Amino acid sequence: AQRVTQPEKLLSVFKGAPVELKCNYSYSGSPELFWYVQYSRQRLQLLLRHISRESIKGFTADLNKGETSFHLKKPFAQEEDSAMYYCALYNTNAGKSTFGDGTTLTVKP
Amino acid sequence: KAGVTQTPRYLIKTRGQQVTLSCSPISGHRSVSWYQQTPGQGLQFLFEYFSETQRNKGNFPGRFSGRQFSNSRSEMNVSTLELGDSALYLCASSLVPGPEAFFGQGTRLTVV
Repeated sequence: AQRVTQPEKLLSVFKGAPVELKCNYSYSGSPELFWYVQYSRQRLQLLLRHISRESIKGFTADLNKGETSFHLKKPFAQEEDSAMYYCALYNTNAGKSTFGDGTTLTVKP
Repeated sequence: KAGVTQTPRYLIKTRGQQVTLSCSPISGHRSVSWYQQTPGQGLQFLFEYFSETQRNKGNFPGRFSGRQFSNSRSEMNVSTLELGDSALYLCASSLVPGPEAFFGQGTRLTVV
């Protein structure tokens, strides 16, 4: 069975500080991992995907198969980064996504 | 272009009743997925439709069902509502089945 764990429900950092949102997964196949973000009063939206190795809004995430992790990082947090972040694993065989419970990030001024 | 539209936005129903929620995907998108979001269980996959066919179903009882029409619009139905069905129901659409989907704002269902 596939599972996604985000160990921190809440994370608070000061503006300009580095931030890392943790995500661990369990999956027997080759995973496709994603980060979604939901800003206050906005829709859930895709932030980034591991296969593209892109940086969106200064965020990056590296898939570490050895540690089964896909942590989301940003070197200098901004207040507008305050949001709920979900890590998700897509099972291409089953055709479904499994989401973590989410981490609420608060960036303080 | 218009985003994913879910109607109604809010709904209050009584235990035992049934409810139908609607989702209009982004124009051209043929895949629609449904999720249930609750504080206790997080985001849980309900089912996915593509070209009017249910491709996948999550671990929910048979009271939860859905369908997709030829114009890609989708409905989900919950029969014999229980208090635990109170949740935000999210719909997401994509061109083809996959995780890179666009989400609607959700329908907040409250069962009393």
